[in-house]
Amino acid sequence: GNSVTQMEGPVTLSEEAFLTINCTYTATGYPSLFWYVQYPGEGLQLLLKATKADDKGSNKGFEATYRKETTSFHLEKGSVQVSDSAVYFCALATNAGGTSYGKLTFGQGTILTVHP
Amino acid sequence: NAGVMQNPRHLVRRRGQEARLRCSPMKGHSHVYWYRQLPEEGLKFMVYLQKENIIDESGMPKERFSAEFPKEGPSILRIQQVVRGDSAAYFCASLKGPGETQYFGPGTRLLVL
Repeated sequence: GNSVTQMEGPVTLSEEAFLTINCTYTATGYPSLFWYVQYPGEGLQLLLKATKADDKGSNKGFEATYRKETTSFHLEKGSVQVSDSAVYFCALATNAGGTSYGKLTFGQGTILTVHP
Repeated sequence: NAGVMQNPRHLVRRRGQEARLRCSPMKGHSHVYWYRQLPEEGLKFMVYLQKENIIDESGMPKERFSAEFPKEGPSILRIQQVVRGDSAAYFCASLKGPGETQYFGPGTRLLVL
């Protein structure tokens, strides 16, 4: 079955530090990969996505590259801000047809806290 | 264009009562997913619905849980005879069609006393 593993948190950084949150996956076929962000008390927002190998998703200074050879989709940002403090979820969705098409499988989430 | 709406945002129930969670999808979206987030865990798939149709309910517990998405009105996730282990955040996501981007609601936080 499909699974997603994220690095253990929480992660605490100072403003302007470099961020990496590791994500590896196991899936049948060639899934699409996603990063979602959850701010306190809110639902998940799509941060970025990549649908095939070597694609790079990017948004708001965050980037992640779909690495098929290492089955990874690590999230990076060169300079974090206090407003980036949130929970980050890596997820995948299968691209094959059938009832499971598009169903998201999530990692356990990584709490990021950025201090001024 | 309003986002995905969920209500109530917070729900407190005593053991044995029923919980009804509502999800109004974005305009033009006819598909809905329900996910459950247990404390300090990621979201887990529960059920995938199209209007008047259950597409995939492989993530639903076998007993006490049911879901519907009628032709008119919101999608409903119903939990009968709640137990403390049902305490969680329940999120729905709506989308236009299979494989499209899912847009999440703010969630309903259920607390069972």
